[in-house]
Amino acid sequence: DTGVSQNPRHKITKRGQNVTFRCDPISEHNRLYWYRQTLGQGPEFLTYFQNEAQLEKSRLLSDRFSAERPKGSFSTLEIQRTEQGDSAMYLCASSPDVGYGYTFGSGTRLTVV
Amino acid sequence: AQSVTQLGSHVSVSEGALVLLRCNYSSSVPPYLFWYVQYPNQGLQLLLKYTTGATLVKGINGFEAEFKKSETSFHLTKPSAHMSDAAEYFCAVSDRPSGNTPLVFGKGTRLSVIA
Repeated sequence: DTGVSQNPRHKITKRGQNVTFRCDPISEHNRLYWYRQTLGQGPEFLTYFQNEAQLEKSRLLSDRFSAERPKGSFSTLEIQRTEQGDSAMYLCASSPDVGYGYTFGSGTRLTVV
Repeated sequence: AQSVTQLGSHVSVSEGALVLLRCNYSSSVPPYLFWYVQYPNQGLQLLLKYTTGATLVKGINGFEAEFKKSETSFHLTKPSAHMSDAAEYFCAVSDRPSGNTPLVFGKGTRLSVIA
């Protein structure tokens, strides 16, 4: 088990372009979470899945954001028509259904220029 | 809705000195409380958690925290700081008893350790 893997680690994109991030959770974890962390702030919840079902979405997740977890394995987070305000670290975490505490990945740092 | 306030965005201590990072929470139901640590360019690592039972919780790397309901606090302490403790620390809360669910994080406290 190599932990939660996120790719790419860094992404620089021009405003208006679409970007997609990938998260591979710990294989036996059913739950997968996406958070966004801006400079000087704590992580803010975006959305989470139990297996392939998207159980909850934050109001931070605008129409330009979409997340999927096909077959309950890896997950992707897509941002369409990126804006400078989307520049942040996007963190993925996974957990089992029971118990408390996540395992976080190292994040994808997005810079929109 | 629950919330977390971390007092002090930056704390600086000397090596060997006591570390005290403050966290106050707001929750309408019994909370589940967590401390995470984040090293530069890395994800967050769980230090310790309070769910139910003993109010003094011990975690990794010599850290511990005490849940005080009357003060709505969950402060993190370590008796003797090491240089390797320099990092960003986040307190988080969940008010849902159904296992792992979305957390609300504080803004974080950056700990510096001076030799």
